[in-house]
Amino acid sequence: NAGVMQNPRHLVRRRGQEARLRCSPMKGHSHVYWYRQLPEEGLKFMVYLQKENIIDESGMPKERFSAEFPKEGPSILRIQQVVRGDSAAYFCASSPAPGDNYGYTFGSGTRLTVV
Amino acid sequence: QKEVEQNSGPLSVPEGAIASLNCTYSDRGSQSFFWYRQYSGKSPELIMFIYSNGDKEDGRFTAQLNKASQYVSLLIRDSQPSDSATYLCAVNTNAGKSTFGDGTTLTVKP
Repeated sequence: NAGVMQNPRHLVRRRGQEARLRCSPMKGHSHVYWYRQLPEEGLKFMVYLQKENIIDESGMPKERFSAEFPKEGPSILRIQQVVRGDSAAYFCASSPAPGDNYGYTFGSGTRLTVV
Repeated sequence: QKEVEQNSGPLSVPEGAIASLNCTYSDRGSQSFFWYRQYSGKSPELIMFIYSNGDKEDGRFTAQLNKASQYVSLLIRDSQPSDSATYLCAVNTNAGKSTFGDGTTLTVKP
């Protein structure tokens, strides 16, 4: 019974490159959430998705960032033209229903380093 | 004002003592409340949730909620060195997503 799977665990990108972060939710979970965590800081909400739908993207920067959760396959967080300030840990979480009643199961995260 | 506020700490307690972690939130419409534990370099893991005013106990952990005061707390009894971690308070409104505090770092000294 695999948990939330994120890959890659570590990602190094040069400034201006694209970063693609993947997240497969737990089996039976159809709600996916992406959070960003800077060193010594809390988790900042980015986007909430269900299959084929973006429910809430109020935390996503307006430019360079996008997310999807297709009918088949993992959820993808895409960062175009990365800058040093994008260096952070990106966590994906999933829940079987809107997180109100269940809390989240988190993946191990992707540590993005922009050089 | 932050939506969810926690004392950043660090909080240090001796082994066997009670650790008390506090959290306040600004949205009176918040309906559910969660505590996560995050070890250094690891991902958060859910340890407790609470929806109703009062206390909820689970082993050595007790969550307390006071909606009138917009206050949530987590008590850890008989603290162990393995409890040393950052504790994140999270709050949900009716929108499905959680808003997290910045966390309180707890150190339990043997």
